[in-house]
Amino acid sequence: NAGVTQTPKFQVLKTGQSMTLQCAQDMNHNSMYWYRQDPGMGLRLIYYSASEGTTDKGEVPNGYNVSRLNKREFSLRLESAAPSQTSVYFCASSVRGVNTEAFFGQGTRLTVV
Amino acid sequence: DAKTTQPNSMESNEEEPVHLPCNHSTISGTDYIHWYRQLPSQGPEYVIHGLTSNVNNRMASLAIAEDRKSSTLILHRATLRDAAVYYCILRDGTGGTSYGKLTFGQGTILTVHP
Repeated sequence: NAGVTQTPKFQVLKTGQSMTLQCAQDMNHNSMYWYRQDPGMGLRLIYYSASEGTTDKGEVPNGYNVSRLNKREFSLRLESAAPSQTSVYFCASSVRGVNTEAFFGQGTRLTVV
Repeated sequence: DAKTTQPNSMESNEEEPVHLPCNHSTISGTDYIHWYRQLPSQGPEYVIHGLTSNVNNRMASLAIAEDRKSSTLILHRATLRDAAVYYCILRDGTGGTSYGKLTFGQGTILTVHP
């Protein structure tokens, strides 16, 4: 079972470059999430999509855009990368609701130099 | 979003029970209490969740205070593999686009000694 798949696993960008982090889930989940985790810190929510066609800002949305392409895929775009965006990025998905568990990908380690 | 407060770190010995506390005094009536853990270099994984009643599963037990302002995750016999960061999260039960949102706090670093 694939679960939540993130690509790429590692990426190095130069300041000012753009890139898109891809996330896909094969569990027919409605809700998807993007988080970032800085060293020694907890996860911070960047954007949240409760269902296909909706997105909501999380705690740290500045510098990011998202696209819920379809029910399976939720991408995160950095238009102009900055060193402050160096982090590990996690995607997650769940059935929409509060009485369900979320499943996480293995993360994308992004370094901006 | 309702917030949770957890100790920064806790220690335990292998094969002993561990009680991880969490305070959530601003919890709303529709918020579910979730626990996740994150092993080193991995994404978080689900542990357990509940609303009002105590819950048990193969991984752990969740004890919820009667007023729901605090809860405790119980690992009955800690193993070395249980060394991780444990997150207590209130899953947003309000309506609208925030429904189901999962917001992490700082978590508790659990160290298990052989």
